[in-house]
Amino acid sequence: EAGVAQSPRYKIIEKRQSVAFWCNPISGHATLYWYQQILGQGPKLLIQFQNNGVVDDSQLPKDRFSAERLKGVDSTLKIQPAKLEDSAVYLCASSSGRGLGELFFGEGSRLTVL
Amino acid sequence: KNQVEQSPQSLIILEGKNCTLQCNYTVSPFSNLRWYKQDTGRGPVSLTIMTFSENTKSNGRYTATLDADTKQSSLHITASQLSDSASYICVVSGRSNDYKLSFGAGTTVTVRA
Repeated sequence: EAGVAQSPRYKIIEKRQSVAFWCNPISGHATLYWYQQILGQGPKLLIQFQNNGVVDDSQLPKDRFSAERLKGVDSTLKIQPAKLEDSAVYLCASSSGRGLGELFFGEGSRLTVL
Repeated sequence: KNQVEQSPQSLIILEGKNCTLQCNYTVSPFSNLRWYKQDTGRGPVSLTIMTFSENTKSNGRYTATLDADTKQSSLHITASQLSDSASYICVVSGRSNDYKLSFGAGTTVTVRA
């Protein structure tokens, strides 16, 4: 069974530039999460999708971050414009159930903002 | 606010020794508690998931315990190996708020030869 796919693995940009990350969850998983993990900290939820609907985006900085999951499968997370404090690993995870099923993570996309 | 606190923040152990990591939480009502292992530069991988009725679960050399009354969990690593060097993250799911997951900051374990 293929795992959660993420790209790119690494990205370096200058502040005020934009960046987009892509995630393809495990086939059949209805729930998709985007997390931000700053070095030395646990993952922080940015947004949770159930199929193509948003369940929780309360911690998403909506002035600069956006995410979509148009067909209920893969998802894109965009940052525009980026700030220095956005330097982090962006983890995508998927699950067959909300908070009940096992959570499978991708390898993450490491963003460095200069 | 639901919180998950892990201790210690980091520890160093010699290969072959045992260690125990702690997780205290305030999430209520409780649904399940998970332990994840995150190797450097990789995504977290699930070790165990425990529900309210389970008080111990093993996965190879990893044994997790849960005391839902005191809201405490531990992860015990037996006969540590160099490959156990990683961050271990405790995650708690509550039954309210759509089973939202609360993450601890993790404990970084370094195993030295």
